[in-house]
Amino acid sequence: DIQMTQSPSSLSASVGDRVTISCRASQSIARFLNWYQQKPGKAPSLLISVASSLQRGVPSRFSGSGSETDFTLTITSLQPEDFATYYCQQSHSTPPTFGGGTKVEI
Amino acid sequence: EVQLVQSGATLKKPGESLKISCNTSGYTFSSYWIGWVRQMPGKGLEWMGVIYPGDSDTRYSPSFHGQVTISADESTSTAFLQWSSLKASDTAMYYCARHLIPTMTTVDYWGPGTLVTVSS
Repeated sequence: DIQMTQSPSSLSASVGDRVTISCRASQSIARFLNWYQQKPGKAPSLLISVASSLQRGVPSRFSGSGSETDFTLTITSLQPEDFATYYCQQSHSTPPTFGGGTKVEI
Repeated sequence: EVQLVQSGATLKKPGESLKISCNTSGYTFSSYWIGWVRQMPGKGLEWMGVIYPGDSDTRYSPSFHGQVTISADESTSTAFLQWSSLKASDTAMYYCARHLIPTMTTVDYWGPGTLVTVSS
């Protein structure tokens, strides 16, 4: 299985901050990388697919970049509703595997 | 509107069997891979496997192969996850997950989750 490593595992930020979350794959996955957001007590939701494609309805303050093994999720101007846990996931091969998550808190 | 409605939370004893369900609507059930994702208490997400209802092709993560069975009923647009003998370590939230066409690796719609608690 492809291993996905996220950093940091948690971070503290304030409303209006720029936040960056990193994700590294144990082998090249081209751009087959998704980002999900999970709020407490809720199911995850898909934010970004194929590294940088924003899903419909996701605010433009979210963006993704990267290729091969190194990827980044950036949130410009953090909003109160963005406090959540974010997971990267490789969709290059089966089984798809998730990073350990990054909890964004105040 | 795509909807995934899961069966309710359940408390079981070790050794018991269980089948949980995910009733879908708002799309062509037979044309999308649908599967299950586990989240143990306070932990991350684990992809368990998927089924393609159109031909019943089923794929499992090696971690879950032989431990659970995924099935689907096209007549009711429902997917299932079942255990023949539960263990305490099966205690988790289980999410039903529809996958983006044509992939079996990207989830675009999630159910609300079914909490399974296994305790004597």
